[in-house]
Amino acid sequence: GAVVSQHPSRVICKSGTSVKIECRSLDFQATTMFWYRQFPKQSLMLMATSNEGSKATYEQGVEKDKFLINHASLTLSTLTVTSAHPEDSSFYICSARSGTSGGALTGELFFGEGSRLTVL
Amino acid sequence: EDQVTQSPEALRLQEGESSSLNCSYTVSGLRGLFWYRQDPGKGPEFLFTLYSAGEEKEKERLKATLTKKESFLHITAPKPEDSATYLCAVQPDRGSTLGRLYFGRGTQLTVWP
Repeated sequence: GAVVSQHPSRVICKSGTSVKIECRSLDFQATTMFWYRQFPKQSLMLMATSNEGSKATYEQGVEKDKFLINHASLTLSTLTVTSAHPEDSSFYICSARSGTSGGALTGELFFGEGSRLTVL
Repeated sequence: EDQVTQSPEALRLQEGESSSLNCSYTVSGLRGLFWYRQDPGKGPEFLFTLYSAGEEKEKERLKATLTKKESFLHITAPKPEDSATYLCAVQPDRGSTLGRLYFGRGTQLTVWP
């Protein structure tokens, strides 16, 4: 099946620094990728929708200036957590859909392995 | 407001003891319901997509069913390697962005030998 790769899988940083997480679709082109955040024992919460060649769409309550998303190509989206603070510590997961046709729900949504961010 | 509720929150089964996980949903219209498996520290692994009431899908020891209000994930004769958190997610039939899923909190399944 389709593979979505995330890097790094784990990152520890000091408060105030910025961290970049990459999400790549390895064997398919993804015009749209999605970024989720998951706290322990909680559901995945959609943060933003990343669109290739255009601005990302953020969910309500998500600060776009804090979580910068860039979708520069059909296989790569990046999430940058700017000026990270301990409350930003979480598990960040990206996903991408393989195959769309005329707006119909075709193709499946595949997830990356996730990136565990710990801000000290 | 769209909602996805999974039950039970945690389930412990003995190897070979079949059971079912429940996913109740409230959406304005359902485009698709998804089941994923998530191991600790990993991203969700796709299992099934169901599109309409009455649909069923099977994969090894797992079988997913769908009604207009809920979905069940039936696990037949589970093995310890089936231990994981099982996530249910729905895509409402509104909005234009494919892939915007709303997740439940998951059922943490533990199968002991």
